[in-house]
Amino acid sequence: DQQVKQNSPSLSVQEGRISILNCDYTNSMFDYFLWYKKYPAEGPTFLISISSIKDKNEDGRFTVFLNKSAKHLSLHIVPSQPGDSAVYFCAASDKGGSEKLVFGKGTKLTVNP
Amino acid sequence: NAGVTQTPKFRVLKTGQSMTLLCAQDMNHEYMYWYRQDPGMGLRLIHYSVGEGTTAKGEVPDGYNVSRLKKQNFLLGLESAAPSQTSVYFCASRTPTRRGEKLFFGSGTQLSVL
Repeated sequence: DQQVKQNSPSLSVQEGRISILNCDYTNSMFDYFLWYKKYPAEGPTFLISISSIKDKNEDGRFTVFLNKSAKHLSLHIVPSQPGDSAVYFCAASDKGGSEKLVFGKGTKLTVNP
Repeated sequence: NAGVTQTPKFRVLKTGQSMTLLCAQDMNHEYMYWYRQDPGMGLRLIHYSVGEGTTAKGEVPDGYNVSRLKKQNFLLGLESAAPSQTSVYFCASRTPTRRGEKLFFGSGTQLSVL
């Protein structure tokens, strides 16, 4: 039973446009959400996070939005750059088991020049 | 500062062989993790440890064993490798000091079991 779902395996956007990556979750006990970025042959690296007490967190070109009633979060990248081409993983932390992160399957973003 | 270091980076095994993957971190982190990444499956937690001498099962623990004899090291063992264990393995660590603290990942071990 997948608790964190990234339903789009891939996304392609033009350089300079907005990239929107989506993530849905089923567990109401999740209270922290994180996005990781992964390049081929490298480990995932942390990008941005959001607490469940907030609905938005911004860091430069990256903004994460959280809609708790819909159990949905999204990562916006504006403007998108070719160097943003990577696999993006959504992850969540459970209040009752905060030592573990549950990851989605990832979305491969391709930013075309 | 090396962060999280995994050895080896690549390995090919025959079915039934055994091996140990080593993870070392120099950030004094309490928590350490082993994940596997398979195409279309994302990152799945194998085992984790919340401190020296402690280990716990994750989502897909079968066929693997782990040990955390020293705080900085977390070993993942395959006693009898199977082709289904062909995967990319990632070690990660973090501090438990606050909620939602991020994981730091190693660069991965590509394992093929023939």
